[in-house]
Amino acid sequence: AQTVTQSQPEMSVQEAETVTLSCTYDTSESDYYLFWYKQPPSRQMILVIRQEAYKQQNATENRFSVNFQKAAKSFSLKISDSQLGDAAMYFCAYRSANNNDMRFGAGTRLTVKP
Amino acid sequence: DTAVSQTPKYLVTQMGNDKSIKCEQNLGHDTMYWYKQDSKKFLKIMFSYNNKELIINETVPNRFSPKSPDKAHLNLHINSLELGDSAVYFCASSQSLASYNEQFFGPGTRLTVL
Repeated sequence: AQTVTQSQPEMSVQEAETVTLSCTYDTSESDYYLFWYKQPPSRQMILVIRQEAYKQQNATENRFSVNFQKAAKSFSLKISDSQLGDAAMYFCAYRSANNNDMRFGAGTRLTVKP
Repeated sequence: DTAVSQTPKYLVTQMGNDKSIKCEQNLGHDTMYWYKQDSKKFLKIMFSYNNKELIINETVPNRFSPKSPDKAHLNLHINSLELGDSAVYFCASSQSLASYNEQFFGPGTRLTVL
């Protein structure tokens, strides 16, 4: 079974600085999708960014970008110019292209200091 | 305007009771899901429905039963509630079962079993 590991339970960053959240996963598949979801205190899960495994180019969404290393099975999230509103739990997720199973990591709680 | 809504937002009940959580999506999506988030924030998929048919049934107790009266609704019924059922339950939907699809989450229902 695929597992997703987020080794940083908590991270903090100064406002306007850059922070990187780590995610690794274990799979024997070659075709899959990776996601980062954000869960603010309101509990609403929101998609931040997604990456197709067959694409070598790293996905970017405004201040959010990923460093996808397929061989290393690593999928880190970089948040640039951090804002107070970025404070939340961030979950890394894996979904196989061959089945419908979705696996989430344990989450990283990000604190943004003013 | 809420895309995915859940009721109730909070549910407190006694052990042994039967309860239901309702979920509705107004996005016209074909697929809906139920997730359980435990006290450690670990998010695990429980069920998914595509066009009213159960696609995934993770190893959850059969006390949990999803019911979909139509494509826009996926309700979760729980019989004989146990202390370990206390968690936040999230409903989600996506356009289809395709793995790359973003999942849109509801605000969650915090269930507390006393």
